[in-house]
Amino acid sequence: TQLLEQSPQFLSIQEGENLTVYCNSSSVFSSLQWYRQEPGEGPVLLVTVVTGGEVKKLKRLTFQFGDARKDSSLHITAAQPGDTGLYLCAGFGAGSYQLTFGKGTKLSVIP
Amino acid sequence: DVKVTQSSRYLVKRTGEKVFLECVQDMDHENMFWYRQDPGLGLRLIYFSYDVKMKEKGDIPEGYSVSREKKERFSLILESASTNQTSMYLCASSLWGFAEAFFGQGTRLTVV
Repeated sequence: TQLLEQSPQFLSIQEGENLTVYCNSSSVFSSLQWYRQEPGEGPVLLVTVVTGGEVKKLKRLTFQFGDARKDSSLHITAAQPGDTGLYLCAGFGAGSYQLTFGKGTKLSVIP
Repeated sequence: DVKVTQSSRYLVKRTGEKVFLECVQDMDHENMFWYRQDPGLGLRLIYFSYDVKMKEKGDIPEGYSVSREKKERFSLILESASTNQTSMYLCASSLWGFAEAFFGQGTRLTVV
């Protein structure tokens, strides 16, 4: 099993602050996905990164895939209460259809 | 709109019962997955299927089996439910190998 380590596990910040969530592995992934999950719901895809060094932006969210395709980060600028949720990274290992998830980062943005 | 439907949102079963969790997708997706989600442990893959009647073990298959007789339906079976199988169960599907996974809303199973 290829493991994905997410940090931090919990994050509580004030509205307007910036934050970064990390997703690391010792294994190479063919692609990495970021999901957001709200209480009582299933995860919903935010973005997929495929190429080493790739940067994708989704409004105030910036996603980066490491050059070696072993790590990724999610940066949120000027966090808002609506960003509150569980953020999960997930990846397909090389040559595998198994989608492995990290344990998630629980983000609370306080108004 | 894509849709993955799990048969129950909440389920309470007794120890030793045989439990069926059903999942249906209406997107003609090739792949389907069953995960369980527990606090502090994240989503852990139980089984996945990349074609009808094909299945692969995930990370924690012990105590579970699956069935995929039709492309749109993927069932998770707890042969003899135990209290340590109390959890949130999430079903997902994806179009092909490395595509986005769409999740159902989950089934919160309590085994007493």
